[in-house]
Amino acid sequence: ELKVEQNPLFLSMQEGKNYTIYCNYSTTSDRLYWYRQDPGKSLESLFVLLSNGAVKQEGRLMASLDTKARLSTLHITAAVHDLSATYFCALRLNDMRFGAGTRLTVKP
Amino acid sequence: DAGITQSPRYKITETGRQVTLMCHQTWSHSYMFWYRQDLGHGLRLIYYSAAADITDKGEVPDGYVVSRSKTENFPLTLESATRSQTSVYFCASMGVAGDNEQFFGPGTRLTVL
Repeated sequence: ELKVEQNPLFLSMQEGKNYTIYCNYSTTSDRLYWYRQDPGKSLESLFVLLSNGAVKQEGRLMASLDTKARLSTLHITAAVHDLSATYFCALRLNDMRFGAGTRLTVKP
Repeated sequence: DAGITQSPRYKITETGRQVTLMCHQTWSHSYMFWYRQDLGHGLRLIYYSAAADITDKGEVPDGYVVSRSKTENFPLTLESATRSQTSVYFCASMGVAGDNEQFFGPGTRLTVL
């Protein structure tokens, strides 16, 4: 059975600190997605990672994909309050499977 | 409206009634998806469609029916609504070119009494 596991599920961090969210999956795929969701809102696409070793960066967020390890990471650099949200990874095979989400809170 | 829209945005219905949620996209994307989001379960795929007249079950299809007679529309019908179908429903679309980025609609909050 396909599993997509994120950790941690909850993350509280101080502004200015760095942290990494992990996304492990149980079957081979070369298409991994990261999304952001603010409370009461829809999902916003952050990154699409299409191949092994792919790395993409946007502002303070950087995502990477290791298909051999079946692992993707979302690294947060020097967090700011505006990054507080829930972050989801998702894996595409024929359909789409989402991780449970990581609720990030950035405190001053 | 450009992009992907859902209607209604909010719906309250009663157990046993039929409800249809609408989804419309203006990009001519091939793929469209329906998800439900519940506390404690994240997003779960209900149905998806690779093209007009092609639909497939996702992770949680029971109690739902979809159709796709036109590329731009992908309605989701709850044939006989149950309380367990109270949820937020998101529609999404994805093209086949480039990064295959998936775009989400604003969501429909459905309450079944």
